Amino acid sequence: QQQVKQSPQSLIVQKGGIPIINCAYENTAFDYFPWYQQFPGKGPALLIAIRPDVSEKKEGRFTISFNKSAKQFSLHIMDSQPGDSATYFCAASITSGTYKYIFGTGTRLKVLA
Amino acid sequence: DVKVTQSSRYLVKRTGEKVFLECVQDMDHENMFWYRQDPGLGLRLIYFSYDVKMKEKGDIPEGYSVSREKKERFSLILESASTNQTSMYLCASSLHQVPEAFFGQGTRLTVV
Repeated sequence: QQQVKQSPQSLIVQKGGIPIINCAYENTAFDYFPWYQQFPGKGPALLIAIRPDVSEKKEGRFTISFNKSAKQFSLHIMDSQPGDSATYFCAASITSGTYKYIFGTGTRLKVLA
Repeated sequence: DVKVTQSSRYLVKRTGEKVFLECVQDMDHENMFWYRQDPGLGLRLIYFSYDVKMKEKGDIPEGYSVSREKKERFSLILESASTNQTSMYLCASSLHQVPEAFFGQGTRLTVV
């Protein structure tokens, strides 16, 4: 119930492609779904986040799609660039508390030049 | 900018040693967290603290303890290090009622 399942584990795309990373959850009490981006040697940093009252959120080239009935959400990266090569983590949280996150297992993305 | 600073980037310790990992944040955040990051397992919560001297176990607290004597500092303690505690350790902090967590750069601990 507390798990967040993330796929794929790794992804290689050509520059300009649209990588898609998927996450699924079970606990319907989750009400905050962030994506974190981590470059080698760095800690994760918040990229974009969504709450379940909207189905899509876009920030620059990054878009979250959210399907509440299916309990799934995904990250799309438009016009991907080599600089987007990083590990991406989805997460889920219940915000009536201390924002303890449950993280997915991560997706290592490589964008080829 | 929020800054979360972990005292060491790399540590090598011997089995059975007591190990201290230190984390300091400079933004007066109430919440602080310790995560462990392993390939294929993502980030797993070890302990968190929502106030000075308050702590709660996360998902994998066995073999670890924590200390929070001051609001800005949160320490992770490995009482008797073992080889299966070789990992990347990440500290994070956040405000009550604000969901964004800020992470430090991590400490890569190797136990030999």
